[in-house]
Amino acid sequence: RKEVEQDPGPFNVPEGATVAFNCTYSNSASQSFFWYRQDCRKEPKLLMSVYSSGNEDGRFTAQLNRASQYISLLIRDSKLSDSATYLCVVSANTGKLIFGQGTTLQVKP
Amino acid sequence: GAVVSQHPSWVICKSGTSVKIECRSLDFQATTMFWYRQFPKQSLMLMATSNEGSKATYEQGVEKDKFLINHASLTLSTLTVTSAHPEDSSFYICSASPLVPVWSQAFFGQGTRLTVV
Repeated sequence: RKEVEQDPGPFNVPEGATVAFNCTYSNSASQSFFWYRQDCRKEPKLLMSVYSSGNEDGRFTAQLNRASQYISLLIRDSKLSDSATYLCVVSANTGKLIFGQGTTLQVKP
Repeated sequence: GAVVSQHPSWVICKSGTSVKIECRSLDFQATTMFWYRQFPKQSLMLMATSNEGSKATYEQGVEKDKFLINHASLTLSTLTVTSAHPEDSSFYICSASPLVPVWSQAFFGQGTRLTVV
């Protein structure tokens, strides 16, 4: 079983749609959780950290459920520029990041 | 924000030759840096943890004699792909975090696209 699992998609949605990505992780000792965005042939860039209390940044909302070892990302009012691969990332506070496979989002006009 | 610079951004080399990739933290010190590899349509896979002043820690299945890592200073780690083969063609990315707090955001280099012909 992979340490971090994501549905690879692709998710094809129209502009303005709301889309949700899910992620599960296997190591219960994991301490830090992130969503990164990766554009084609580029390095990953931090989208947002994820906290148990949930956090929101504009159109993006992230949620963590430690009991279920489950992380989610919600994108509202999708823009064309949101098209990318979204990586669920987990860390045990050593700086070592474990990446999910990534979920590909394609927003269409 | 913190910046990690990786060089070169792309390289083409012949089979059997060696390629060195540099990863520099430009405005912070990092005792630990990480090297990842990403094949097309796959996730980033951690290859090794580079430790300043000591030996690197390699993930299972990664040959330490083939992927030589040197972390001679708090701002520079190098990855050398020795005796490269076409199957080593991939996207190599390094990451580093500022020393404090240890779990703060990881910053990535721009990546190096290696093609072995």
